[in-house]
Amino acid sequence: DGGITQSPKYLFRKEGQNVTLSCEQNLNHDAMYWYRQDPGQGLRLIYYSQIVNDFQKGDIAEGYSVSREKKESFPLTVTSAQKNPTAFYLCASSPTYRFMNTEAFFGQGTRLTVV
Amino acid sequence: GENVEQHPSTLSVQEGDSAVIKCTYSDSASNYFPWYKQELGKRPQLIIDIRSNVGEKKDQRIAVTLNKTAKHFSLHITETQPEDSAVYFCAARRGINFGNEKLTFGTGTRLTIIP
Repeated sequence: DGGITQSPKYLFRKEGQNVTLSCEQNLNHDAMYWYRQDPGQGLRLIYYSQIVNDFQKGDIAEGYSVSREKKESFPLTVTSAQKNPTAFYLCASSPTYRFMNTEAFFGQGTRLTVV
Repeated sequence: GENVEQHPSTLSVQEGDSAVIKCTYSDSASNYFPWYKQELGKRPQLIIDIRSNVGEKKDQRIAVTLNKTAKHFSLHITETQPEDSAVYFCAARRGINFGNEKLTFGTGTRLTIIP
């Protein structure tokens, strides 16, 4: 069963704690993305990666970190430096532009709540 | 960097009428423009996309038009049905060189179909 999987679906964090969101894909996609979704603000790009061991900051990278040690995995760490981390986080993957079909597929999302 | 603006933020349409959502982008190097539909509590899913070498693309009741000169593209839904109610996102992506494939989204349009 191919796809992109995020875990957990719901996550609660105490203030001051770091937390890591998981994103795994078995679609053999080179590119992976993390977005944050807040009401009325659409999908804002946090980080993206186009190849293993390489990633770039998106528009709202402050307070977040990522790694891309494997093609299948792109975990996102929400650090204590992120002032307003409560949000819905979406991971996506897509083939790179070298391929004709560049559709991005999304995971089901992780809802993070700071308590 | 790329900036994608989307209008309107909310749209209510009588069932059977047409709906139009418009987006503008700033980066002239963008050449791939997908549209995603996100139903309540679900992940965004691609409904149609267009590349910059094409001015219009149609798939049943859905069509997308692109004006590269003016840097705007639009989603048209005809004969709207209740299941069309969702949030719609436009996006833009540049892919001239491998290593620069940031996918930037608009802020979304909440479409409500009135029975």
